[in-house]
Amino acid sequence: GDSVTQMEGPVTLSEEAFLTINCTYTATGYPSLFWYVQYPGEGLQLLLKATKADDKGSNKGFEATYRKETTSFHLEKGSVQVSDSAVYFCALRGDTGFQKLVFGTGTRLLVSP
Amino acid sequence: EAGVAQSPRYKIIEKRQSVAFWCNPISGHATLYWYQQILGQGPKLLIQFQNNGVVDDSQLPKDRFSAERLKGVDSTLKIQPAKLEDSAVYLCASSFAAAAGFETQYFGPGTRLLVL
Repeated sequence: GDSVTQMEGPVTLSEEAFLTINCTYTATGYPSLFWYVQYPGEGLQLLLKATKADDKGSNKGFEATYRKETTSFHLEKGSVQVSDSAVYFCALRGDTGFQKLVFGTGTRLLVSP
Repeated sequence: EAGVAQSPRYKIIEKRQSVAFWCNPISGHATLYWYQQILGQGPKLLIQFQNNGVVDDSQLPKDRFSAERLKGVDSTLKIQPAKLEDSAVYLCASSFAAAAGFETQYFGPGTRLLVL
């Protein structure tokens, strides 16, 4: 079945450092890919998405490119802030029928001043 | 627009008791989802409704969990009887439709359940 693998955390960075959180997936067909973020004490929020190969999703300085050849959707940000501290979830949704979101296990990001 | 509403936000019960969670999706959203998020894991889909019909309940423990979506709007998820391993955050999400791969799911704040 479909699955998502994320790098384990926590990822600990200093403010203004470069961020990469790796995400790879296994799926048939052409899934849509998502990054969700969960801030402390809050619910999941959609951060960005990409619906086809080579699409780049971007939001709030975060970017991720849908790479079908490597089945990856790595999250990047050029300069992190303390306020980016949260748990980040990579997810996919299949391209046929009523396909559910399949989530990775999440990666906790801790940014220190 | 108003987001997905859930209640209660927190619930503590003893094992073998019953509990119910309520969800009100975003207005006009036909598809409603219930997810279970155990600490340290990603959310796992329990059940998906399209209007008031079930389209996927393959991961719902049907011996103890039940859910309904009367009139295709609000939904209730029930656990009876609860077990210790049911301690988790229960997330409700909704989307405008369930067209293949293109509809964004919007999540509520979740209900945190602790079973003692």
